[in-house]
Amino acid sequence: AQSVSQHNHHVILSEAASLELGCNYSYGGTVNLFWYVQYPGQHLQLLLKYFSGDPLVKGIKGFEAEFIKSKFSFNLRKPSVQWSDTAEYFCAVKMDTGRRALTFGSGTRLQVQP
Amino acid sequence: DARVTQTPRHKVTEMGQEVTMRCQPILGHNTVFWYRQTMMQGLELLAYFRNRAPLDDSGMPKDRFSAEMPDATLATLKIQPSEPRDSAVYFCASGLGSIVGGGAWDQPQHFGDGTRLSIL
Repeated sequence: AQSVSQHNHHVILSEAASLELGCNYSYGGTVNLFWYVQYPGQHLQLLLKYFSGDPLVKGIKGFEAEFIKSKFSFNLRKPSVQWSDTAEYFCAVKMDTGRRALTFGSGTRLQVQP
Repeated sequence: DARVTQTPRHKVTEMGQEVTMRCQPILGHNTVFWYRQTMMQGLELLAYFRNRAPLDDSGMPKDRFSAEMPDATLATLKIQPSEPRDSAVYFCASGLGSIVGGGAWDQPQHFGDGTRLSIL
């Protein structure tokens, strides 16, 4: 069955540290890829998305992600995190099957210490 | 900015009671999704609708859950009877799906604030 894996469940960083959150999926067909963020007490927001073209995509708030098709990965990066980046991050994959919904990873809780 | 609106924001009730959650999708969006978020399972898709028709509700316990879209501006998710294991945050999302073909090329979904449900 198709699945999305986020191996880092809880990440703790100091401000100004670099961030990379892993996301891998298991599906050999065409995909759309997303990263969503959920700040404490708030709803999910779209950070960035990949549909086609340049595999390095830039999103809001200085985040970027790189699609590596051969590795079935879509890792999220930020060169220098801020305390305000403390949130839960979800990777999501939309697969070109008949089931037109997103498959989410289990999420990564990021805690940035001042 | 257009937003997906969910009501109520919080609901606490006793087991066995009926629970109804409502969602107003963004005007013009033709696809509505219901998700459930729990600590154990993360985000799970319960059901989704395209042009008000249910396309997939395989993630939903059929014996107690039901999802409907009585019109294009309202989606409902009902639980009857509710059980403590239903306690979770329920998210509604809407999106603009492709009219022709589509496959993987739908636009991103916009999420509501969620309904935090506690069944005692």
